[in-house]
Amino acid sequence: EDQVTQSPEALRLQEGESSSLNCSYTVSGLRGLFWYRQDPGKGPEFLFTLYSAGEEKEKERLKATLTKKESFLHITAPKPEDSATYLCAVQARAAKDTGRRALTFGSGTRLQVQP
Amino acid sequence: NAGVTQTPKFQVLKTGQSMTLQCAQDMNHEYMSWYRQDPGMGLRLIHYSVGAGITDQGEVPNGYNVSRSTTEDFPLRLLSAAPSQTSVYFCASSYFNTNTGELFFGEGSRLTVL
Repeated sequence: EDQVTQSPEALRLQEGESSSLNCSYTVSGLRGLFWYRQDPGKGPEFLFTLYSAGEEKEKERLKATLTKKESFLHITAPKPEDSATYLCAVQARAAKDTGRRALTFGSGTRLQVQP
Repeated sequence: NAGVTQTPKFQVLKTGQSMTLQCAQDMNHEYMSWYRQDPGMGLRLIHYSVGAGITDQGEVPNGYNVSRSTTEDFPLRLLSAAPSQTSVYFCASSYFNTNTGELFFGEGSRLTVL
């Protein structure tokens, strides 16, 4: 069974204080690992896709990295507008492509950046 | 460009009542899906569709029905609501031929079953 565990559950940072969010996963053959951002009362918004160990993606103050067991979302010099819940999800490489390609999501890390 | 539109945003039902959550997308996406989000748990897939006339079950399909008569619409039906179906429901879509992990989500429908 595919599994995704995110830590910490909640993180409070001061503006400018860099940190990292962790996503540990087990999956029967990784097709892709995905990071989403979710604002309160809104649907998740896609951020990054990572396909293989060693891959990195960047967007503004965010950088996502991937190893064979975990992914990190590094936040450099965060601003209050970076406050949100960050979700990690994995997609397994199915033996047959049933079209399902379901994502297994973690429960998220709630990030609060104070001015 | 509206993206993925869900209605209603909020709904309160009594146990045993039925209702339909509506989802429409204007991006011509082949793939559409419904997830539920509960506190402390990740989003879980209920049903999905890879095109008009084609639907299939996800991880937690019991108590829900779907149909896909057009590319744009993918309604979720609760047949006989139960308190365990209290949740926030998200509709999501993507192009099928690209990586369907890159989903576009609606803003959610918050359902309370008393």
